[in-house]
Amino acid sequence: AQSVTQLGSHVSVSEGALVLLRCNYSSSVPPYLFWYVQYPNQGLQLLLKYTTGATLVKGINGFEAEFKKSETSFHLTKPSAHMSDAAEYFCAVSDHSGGYQKVTFGTGTKLQVIP
Amino acid sequence: KAGVTQTPRYLIKTRGQQVTLSCSPISGHRSVSWYQQTPGQGLQFLFEYFSETQRNKGNFPGRFSGRQFSNSRSEMNVSTLELGDSALYLCASNPDYPGTVGETQYFGPGTRLLVL
Repeated sequence: AQSVTQLGSHVSVSEGALVLLRCNYSSSVPPYLFWYVQYPNQGLQLLLKYTTGATLVKGINGFEAEFKKSETSFHLTKPSAHMSDAAEYFCAVSDHSGGYQKVTFGTGTKLQVIP
Repeated sequence: KAGVTQTPRYLIKTRGQQVTLSCSPISGHRSVSWYQQTPGQGLQFLFEYFSETQRNKGNFPGRFSGRQFSNSRSEMNVSTLELGDSALYLCASNPDYPGTVGETQYFGPGTRLLVL
């Protein structure tokens, strides 16, 4: 069974500082990895995803994530935080081992950006 | 294309009542999933439908049920509401094209249910 662990339910950074949100996964088959963002009173939207190919994935709003198979990690980073980045971030893993896609979400990390 | 729509957006019910929530996926999307989101439990998977069949199910009691229609629209029903059912209910769709992997889930804005 696949699973996702997000370290830190709340992360605070100063505006302009590096954002690092951690995600570790467990999957018995090659995983497909996602980061989603949720702004208040909205649904989740895709930030970026890794399926195959280059392990460094760039997404929207200046975010990127690196797939590290040896560490089973897919951490999300952004060099300089903006106030508008304050939101909740979800890491997710999916596989097709059963013939169709099954997605498992992490518990989420709320990012606070301090002016 | 229009995004995933959910109706109603807000709902207030009392304990013991039942509620039906509706989700219209993006046109052409065949898979619809439902999630419950609460501050304490986070995002929890309820069930997923594909071609009018429940394909996957989370760990929720039988009071939670759903269905999908031939046009891929989906409804979920919660019977005998409890206070703990107060949550944001999110619907997500994806195309589920044959042979495609790592498909993005497209989420609706959610229905916020308050049980008094």
